[in-house]
Amino acid sequence: EAGVAQSPRYKIIEKRQSVAFWCNPISGHATLYWYQQILGQGPKLLIQFQNNGVVDDSQLPKDRFSAERLKGVDSTLKIQPAKLEDSAVYLCASSLGQGMLTEAFFGQGTRLTVV
Amino acid sequence: GDSVTQMEGPVTLSEEAFLTINCTYTATGYPSLFWYVQYPGEGLQLLLKATKADDKGSNKGFEATYRKETTSFHLEKGSVQVSDSAVYFCALRTSNDYKLSFGAGTTVTVRA
Repeated sequence: EAGVAQSPRYKIIEKRQSVAFWCNPISGHATLYWYQQILGQGPKLLIQFQNNGVVDDSQLPKDRFSAERLKGVDSTLKIQPAKLEDSAVYLCASSLGQGMLTEAFFGQGTRLTVV
Repeated sequence: GDSVTQMEGPVTLSEEAFLTINCTYTATGYPSLFWYVQYPGEGLQLLLKATKADDKGSNKGFEATYRKETTSFHLEKGSVQVSDSAVYFCALRTSNDYKLSFGAGTTVTVRA
């Protein structure tokens, strides 16, 4: 079974530039998550989709971050404009559903460096 | 809000030593509890889970018991190997919002 695919693996941009990350979840997984993992910290949930609807985006900085999941499959996360503090690994995960026992499967992440 | 607190690392051990990583939680609902592991250069993967009080999750020689009275889910392994070197994350999911929330992670290094 193919895992969660993310691209690019690495990205270096200057502050105030824009950047986009792409995620292809495991086939059939209805729930998709984007996490931000700053060095030395645990992953922080940015946004959670159920199919193509947003379930939770309470920790998404909406003035600069946006995400969409067209057709309930692939997803993109965009930052515009980027700040130095956005340097982190951005993790995408997917699961069959939102149930209490449901395992989330993670991609390898995109490491963003803002200079 | 819901949160997870892990013991701070890094932790360095010799092979065959006993490993314990403490994890406590705060939750408004009745959570399911998880341990995820991140090996060098790899993505996060589920190590074990428990869904109700006194449940014991186990995998790859690791164990953790869901203790409701102490709101804890400590991870243990009796004899670690070099291949257990990784970052370990405690996580929870509650029934009120189904969000999967993580602790800060504990880096474990096992020396030969």
